[in-house]
Amino acid sequence: DIQMTQSPSSLSASVGDRVTITCQASQDISNYLNWYQQKPGKAPKLLIYDASNLETGVPSRFSGSGSGTDFTFTISSLQPEDIATYYCQQYDNLIFTFGPGTKVDIK
Amino acid sequence: QVQLQESGPGLVKPSETLSLTCAVSGYSISSGYYWGWIRQPPGKGLEWIGSIYHSGSTYYNPSLKSRVTISVDTSKNQFSLKLSSVTAADTAVYYCARAMIVAPGYFDYWGQGTLVTVSS
Repeated sequence: DIQMTQSPSSLSASVGDRVTITCQASQDISNYLNWYQQKPGKAPKLLIYDASNLETGVPSRFSGSGSGTDFTFTISSLQPEDIATYYCQQYDNLIFTFGPGTKVDIK
Repeated sequence: QVQLQESGPGLVKPSETLSLTCAVSGYSISSGYYWGWIRQPPGKGLEWIGSIYHSGSTYYNPSLKSRVTISVDTSKNQFSLKLSSVTAADTAVYYCARAMIVAPGYFDYWGQGTLVTVSS
C-alpha cells in the first residue's frame, strides 16, 4: 500500500504570508495527487486535482506542484478564511489514501 | 448542483452493524461516476471506506473489506453503507461523496457528514 506523509503537521502564519505544505508518497504516483481544505465542523472541499489543477471556483492564491513522490501545496497570501486543515490524497489501483493533514492557523 | 445527504442512526452498540444511507440530488447516480464513503474519527484524519458504481461494482479499503458492504438503489438515487461488528474505533463522522475513479481519482462533492458513535 502507498503511504502518504505531510509536513508540517501544523503551522502558524500571518495574514499575507506565503504558506507551503509538502506531501510525500511512499512510491511514485505520477501526478495523481489531490488537495482538500477542511474547515472545522465541515466536510472537506476539493481545491486541487492532478497535482496542479485548480478546481473551479477556487481562488488563485492556492496552487499545487510536483510529481512522482514529492508534492507541494502553496497559499500565496494567507487570508483569515484559509484557517483550516489541509489534506493531500493519492489514488492508485482503485484505492484512495489521504495524508495525515496540516493544520493552518493565524499567528 | 450535486447535493449529498447522509442519514442513519447516530448511536450503534458494539458488535452490531452500522447502517447509513446517502441520498443524492441534482445528479442521477445512473449517469456515471462512482460514489463513496469516507470517515473521520473525532480529531483525526480521513479514511476512505469504499466506492460503488451504479452497476453495483464495488471497491473497498482492504483494511475494512471484511466488514463493509456498500450497495446502490438507482430507483431512489441513493447508496448505502453497512459496517458490521463495530467497536469504539468505528466512532467517526461518516461522509458520502462523489468519486472520480479515473486517475487522478478524487472526491468532488461531499455530504455534510453524520456522526456515528459506537457505545453501549
